[in-house]
Amino acid sequence: AQRVTQPEKLLSVFKGAPVELKCNYSYSGSPELFWYVQYSRQRLQLLLRHISRESIKGFTADLNKGETSFHLKKPFAQEEDSAMYYCALKTADRGSTLGRLYFGRGTQLTVWP
Amino acid sequence: SQTIHQWPATLVQPVGSPLSLECTVEGTSNPNLYWYRQAAGRGLQLLFYSVGIGQISSEVPQNLSASRPQDRQFILSSKKLLLSDSGFYLCAWMVGNYGYTFGSGTRLTVV
Repeated sequence: AQRVTQPEKLLSVFKGAPVELKCNYSYSGSPELFWYVQYSRQRLQLLLRHISRESIKGFTADLNKGETSFHLKKPFAQEEDSAMYYCALKTADRGSTLGRLYFGRGTQLTVWP
Repeated sequence: SQTIHQWPATLVQPVGSPLSLECTVEGTSNPNLYWYRQAAGRGLQLLFYSVGIGQISSEVPQNLSASRPQDRQFILSSKKLLLSDSGFYLCAWMVGNYGYTFGSGTRLTVV
């Protein structure tokens, strides 16, 4: 069975400080990992996905299969980064195009001025 | 353009009453559709998913059911609500391998 763990429910940093939101997963298949973000009063939206190896809003995340981790990092946090962040694992049935996303419990990030 | 609509935005229902939440998508055909529940302290839990009309898969046993009467319509229902059904319900649509697009959600409070 698949599992996504975000060990920190709350995380607070000061503006300009580095931030790392942790995510660990367990899955027997080939993992696809995502980070989703939910700003106050906005819809849950995709932040980034591991297969694209992109940097969005200064955030990056590297898939470490050895440690089964997909931590989200930003070198200099900004106040507008304050939001709820969810790590998600996509599973797929063999031979099927159907994918299912399983989410961690989320980490509420607060960036203080 | 591709959009997803969900309503109502908020709902307060008494215990034992029925429930019907609707989700529709525009701008695509034959989407994979999903219902999630976001409960306090529990993150996002996958409830149901559907690959086509009349095809529903349940992820967890519960007091809820889902139906897909049309290609771009996904409905979450209950015959008799329980207090534990309170939560924030999200409909989502998978766009290829890019991930999900989520609706704006329905805040359900069972009293």
